[in-house]
Amino acid sequence: DTGVSQDPRHKITKRGQNVTFRCDPISEHNRLYWYRQTLGQGPEFLTYFQNEAQLEKSRLLSDRFSAERPKGSFSTLEIQRTEQGDSAMYLCASRTTRDGYTDTQYFGPGTRLTVL
Amino acid sequence: AQSVAQPEDQVNVAEGNPLTVKCTYSVSGNPYLFWYVQYPNRGLQFLLKYITGDNLVKGSYGFEAEFNKSQTSFHLKKPSALVSDSALYFCAVRGANTGFQKLVFGTGTRLLVSP
Repeated sequence: DTGVSQDPRHKITKRGQNVTFRCDPISEHNRLYWYRQTLGQGPEFLTYFQNEAQLEKSRLLSDRFSAERPKGSFSTLEIQRTEQGDSAMYLCASRTTRDGYTDTQYFGPGTRLTVL
Repeated sequence: AQSVAQPEDQVNVAEGNPLTVKCTYSVSGNPYLFWYVQYPNRGLQFLLKYITGDNLVKGSYGFEAEFNKSQTSFHLKKPSALVSDSALYFCAVRGANTGFQKLVFGTGTRLLVSP
């Protein structure tokens, strides 16, 4: 399967714990995006990377959230001191900019986080 | 600011009948428009997009969408619905300006196709 993969698919944690999610984009996709989706809502943008550089962060991304893409391939999203309001589906997407008309973001299956 | 409206929380249609899922958008400049489908506990699956060119865009699984600039709409259509089309559908927009990178999604429309 050459699509976007995310790990883990499900995470249950207690309030106050730290969690880390991983995203592996489609090979050679230089842009990688993180979104958050809560129940009954569409995905909301969190942040994106061009290669290893984090170019934009949403105001939704509080100080407790940090994302990295150290080698321009996979990315991690860490949430520190989790709160119940962090419970959501975290979606990763990737795309290439090498074809100007491609512009399509391809999404992974998501990581569902439940904070107890 | 970019925004998307999907006015219907749910659309019900009988199998074999045509379906329409509505979407209107607001964006500065020209829009890039997308439809995605989401099955339970799954990520989003790309269906089709409008970037430029013909206003009628054809996509996966027999779906198509019509871009209407004057009405700022991008409705999703299918001539004959299948039960397996039952899912959650999201419309998304991004401004064509390279300064806009994020997709802005609507709240989704649940499509229910009855046998």
